[in-house]
Formats: sequence, C-alpha cells, structure tokens
Amino acid sequence: GAVVSQHPSWVICKSGTSVKIECRSLDFQATTMFWYRQFPKQSLMLMATSNEGSKATYEQGVEKDKFLINHASLTLSTLTVTSAHPEDSSFYICSAPRAGDHEQYFGPGTRLTVT
Amino acid sequence: GENVEQHPSTLSVQEGDSAVIKCTYSDSASNYFPWYKQELGKGPQLIIDIRSNVGEKKDQRIAVTLNKTAKHFSLHITETQPEDSAVYFCAASNGGTGNQFYFGTGTSLTVIP
Repeated sequence: GAVVSQHPSWVICKSGTSVKIECRSLDFQATTMFWYRQFPKQSLMLMATSNEGSKATYEQGVEKDKFLINHASLTLSTLTVTSAHPEDSSFYICSAPRAGDHEQYFGPGTRLTVT
Repeated sequence: GENVEQHPSTLSVQEGDSAVIKCTYSDSASNYFPWYKQELGKGPQLIIDIRSNVGEKKDQRIAVTLNKTAKHFSLHITETQPEDSAVYFCAASNGGTGNQFYFGTGTSLTVIP
C-alpha cells in the first residue's frame, strides 16, 4: 500500500510560539491532502483540504490565519499552528488519496502539546 | 452534507466471540465505505472497504455488509483476539480521488482474554 509519513511524531511547544507539521506521501504523488484534528476518545475532525498549487479549503469554524497550510509539492503538505495556545493541544493527522484510488492513506499522526 | 452515525460507542467481547459494529449514512450519493482501525497514539489503518455495487466483502476474520436501501453498513469480526482491541471508525464517501470522507464517531472494542 501507499505510505504517508508525518514529522514530527510529537512536539511540545510554549504558548505563543508556532509549530510546523509536515505530511509527506512517500511513494506516490498527492495533489490533495487532508488535515484532521482528533481529541481524546473522539472521531477525526476534518480541518482543511490542502491542494497542490492553490489555496487550502478550510472547514467551517477553522481559523485559516491560525492554521496555515502550504502544499508545496506533489508529495508535501505542511500545517503550521501559529501563536499556539494550550487549547491547540491535540493529535493532528493527515491523509492523502492516490490517483485512481478511493482509499485515503493516513499518516501516523503528530501529538502537539502546548504548555 | 453527509452524516454518519456509528454504534455502539464501546463494545466488550470475550476472546473468540464475534463483534459487530454498525453505521448508518444519510447521503444516497455515498458509494464508498471504508473501515479503519486506530490503535492508541497511531493513525487510522484501513482494514476493509466496500463499494456500493457490492453487498458483502470478506477478508479472513473480517467482513463488511452494505444495505444501500436502508443506508447502513456493518463490520463483523469473528473469532476475536486481544490484538483486535482498538478503536474502529466507519466512513462514507461519494467516491473519486480527493473526495472528502465522513467519519463515524468510533467504537472502542475491547477483547477480553
């Protein structure tokens, strides 16, 4: 199957700082990637759809100026949490569909803790 | 938009017994229904999927059934093992590369040895 990686797997940052999370499709190209947020014991909540070469599409209620998404290439999308606050602490997961597949391939997730 | 409901939220079974998780969806345009297993601290892993032109699919101990008329689909795990313990999510999509997935709320399965 296709492989999606995320980096870092976990990060701790201080309140007010920014943190960048990378999502890479390792063995296929992805013109679209999805970013999810997951709170403990809850389902995946779609935050935004990342589109290579164009602006990301954000879900209602997600602040685009706080969660900056850049789809720099066909294998890399980044999510930057700006001016992080403790309430931004969560598990962030990306996924990418491969052309011709219905399936989405999920990354292993990034645990963000803001102190 | 699509609304996916999943039941039960928690499920405990004895090792060797079967487990059934059910999902319903609202959008008749949905035609792809994957099931994911998520272990603690990890990303979801696809375990089985079904398309709307198929009523049932089986892969060893795991099977999925789909009733398009009633708009519901179910995951069946037979001969459960302790390593089956995890959170399971159903999802629905209207197909096509890049289309959004709508997830159920998850079922925490515990298999008691």
